[in-house]
Amino acid sequence: DAGITQSPRHKVTETGTPVTLRCHQTENHRYMYWYRQDPGHGLRLIHYSYGVKDTDKGEVSDGYSVSRSKTEDFLLTLESATSSQTSVYFCAISIEDNTGELFFGEGSRLTVL
Amino acid sequence: AQKVTQAQTEISVVEKEDVTLDCVYETRDTTYYLFWYKQPPSGELVFLIRRNSFDEQNEISGRYSWNFQKSTSSFNFTITASQVVDSAVYFCALSDNYGQNFVFGPGTRLSVLP
Repeated sequence: DAGITQSPRHKVTETGTPVTLRCHQTENHRYMYWYRQDPGHGLRLIHYSYGVKDTDKGEVSDGYSVSRSKTEDFLLTLESATSSQTSVYFCAISIEDNTGELFFGEGSRLTVL
Repeated sequence: AQKVTQAQTEISVVEKEDVTLDCVYETRDTTYYLFWYKQPPSGELVFLIRRNSFDEQNEISGRYSWNFQKSTSSFNFTITASQVVDSAVYFCALSDNYGQNFVFGPGTRLSVLP
């Protein structure tokens, strides 16, 4: 158990509203990631963080922003949600610096109507 | 750019059959890491194995085995004597040496029928 919790686990919102997903870890791991999972695409990296206030973009970062003000929390924000952002979002941590296996949270299912 | 291809979208087998899931990767790095993850119907993602680019030895873990061949850029996964509990989506993944580009394939959905 890598001590990762995501909240909320399920959310339904309307187009144009802001949404923030939270990833919390209990073990002070340096690397944290946000992925989205969609049928036919597998898991695609949105943003990742390699330390407090250190973040970088992934493959599908448009429309998303992140913040990491504390080691334990990595927030994903959709400033103005769109229907194309309906997806399952997974947070992950790397337990061996930056090349170890990823351990994932349970996922957050977001529906944008 | 790094890329992972899993050409098999869905596979169905009957229990006790052996099944191989294919994974082909692309990278320009000389040092990289390969992974397999399992996602059962419950939705969580479970780490199965990590292999670095300098270790081409095949690995066996119970009914699971992995065949890494740099010459063909492949990292295939075989389940021997499949069981219904093996039914899941399996993802192959590739990471560069800096962990800044952790790329997943589209996944293969395996259904093991009783």
